[in-house]
Amino acid sequence: QSALTQPASVSGSPGQSITISCTGTSSDVGRYNLVSWYQHHPGKAPKLMIYEDSKRPSGVSNNFSGSKSGNTASLTISGLQAEDEADYYCCSYAGSNTVVFGGGTKLTVL
Amino acid sequence: QVQLQESGPGLVKPSQTLSLTCTVSGGSISSGAYYWSWIRQHPGEGLEWIAYFYYSGSTYYNPSLKSRLTISVDTSKNQFSLKLSSVTAADTAVYYCARRLGAYWYFDLWGRGTLVTVSS
Repeated sequence: QSALTQPASVSGSPGQSITISCTGTSSDVGRYNLVSWYQHHPGKAPKLMIYEDSKRPSGVSNNFSGSKSGNTASLTISGLQAEDEADYYCCSYAGSNTVVFGGGTKLTVL
Repeated sequence: QVQLQESGPGLVKPSQTLSLTCTVSGGSISSGAYYWSWIRQHPGEGLEWIAYFYYSGSTYYNPSLKSRLTISVDTSKNQFSLKLSSVTAADTAVYYCARRLGAYWYFDLWGRGTLVTVSS
């Protein structure tokens, strides 16, 4: 059960859009529509941003969207704001009642 | 508003047992709707799922950690606990407790985490 692959860092200017990828395998990301994304500001509790590939929980800005193609899921943040600067993690159901997380991506708002 | 709070020693010696507790406030751990989880983050690395359980007994472990893990629940205190035996420096991490709703495979509520360092 290997971790999902995310870029170590991405950056963008305020107002721009960025996309964070999350690559797994046909046994996890590619097999189930069960990818979730979490925002983590250091020292705070991680926050659910996207679940089941593309669904947004109540209260999460519609600037955040999720998608998936094959074994790669993506989180897109449009209209970047300073407060979006955080670490982002993807997670996928991996079968047999297990989940696997990504290595995390540090988003810098320039 | 339900909140999760991790607690436990910040320093554990190698070969000893790491013990952490998660206190659930604002809601009941035995409400029946949730699975309660432990997740960790090694310094500078991604998240790693450790285990989750249902209050009435079903427990699921990360296979790579299963032999060293014990999960328990105290419904009277609205707490659940993690014990990880025979720790090494590789177990140094921030440990989070989190909540997963029923048959859904995402964690909708997390604690802030607690850093545990394994060192002599």
